Amino acid sequence: EAGVVQSPRYKIIEKKQPVAFWCNPISGHNTLYWYLQNLGQGPELLIRYENEEAVDDSQLPKDRFSAERLKGVDSTLKIQPAELGDSAVYLCASSLGTSGSYNEQFFGPGTRLTVL
Amino acid sequence: AQSVSQHNHHVILSEAASLELGCNYSYGGTVNLFWYVQYPGQHLQLLLKYFSGDPLVKGIKGFEAEFIKSKFSFNLRKPSVQWSDTAEYFCAVNEGNTNAGKSTFGDGTTLTVKP
Repeated sequence: EAGVVQSPRYKIIEKKQPVAFWCNPISGHNTLYWYLQNLGQGPELLIRYENEEAVDDSQLPKDRFSAERLKGVDSTLKIQPAELGDSAVYLCASSLGTSGSYNEQFFGPGTRLTVL
Repeated sequence: AQSVSQHNHHVILSEAASLELGCNYSYGGTVNLFWYVQYPGQHLQLLLKYFSGDPLVKGIKGFEAEFIKSKFSFNLRKPSVQWSDTAEYFCAVNEGNTNAGKSTFGDGTTLTVKP
């Protein structure tokens, strides 16, 4: 079974440029998460989807970040415009659901973003 | 807001030494608890999990963790570490009921095992 797929793995851009990250979750996983991970810290949730609905986007900086999960499968996270402080690893994870054992999250390899 | 504390930022051990990594959380309700591991150059993967039942859970590679509700703790243990256990370890907590999908991670503990 394929794991969570993310692309690109690495991205270097100049500040004020737009950037997009793509995630394909494990087949059948209804819940999809986007996390931001800064160096030396744990993942911080940006947004969580249940199928195509964003059910928790309270930590998403909506002035520059946007996300979508059309058709409830793959998802795109966009930053426009990027700032120097956005340099981090962006992780995507998926789970069957959110109750009980369905809560187990499977992580992708992440996209390492560097903003110059 | 929920918080997760991992008190040891960097632990250095020799092979065969015993390991205990601390994890404390703040949420007072029902929780689901996880330990994830990230080996060098690899992505986060689940080490073990607790949902209910026996508070002593066993995971892969000889790791175990004990949920102590009264102490809001979920410490990770291994009786004898190996060089291959060198990795970063993250504790995570999900609020088990009304906000079951909300995951909070600790800042991680880097474990270095000297051969």
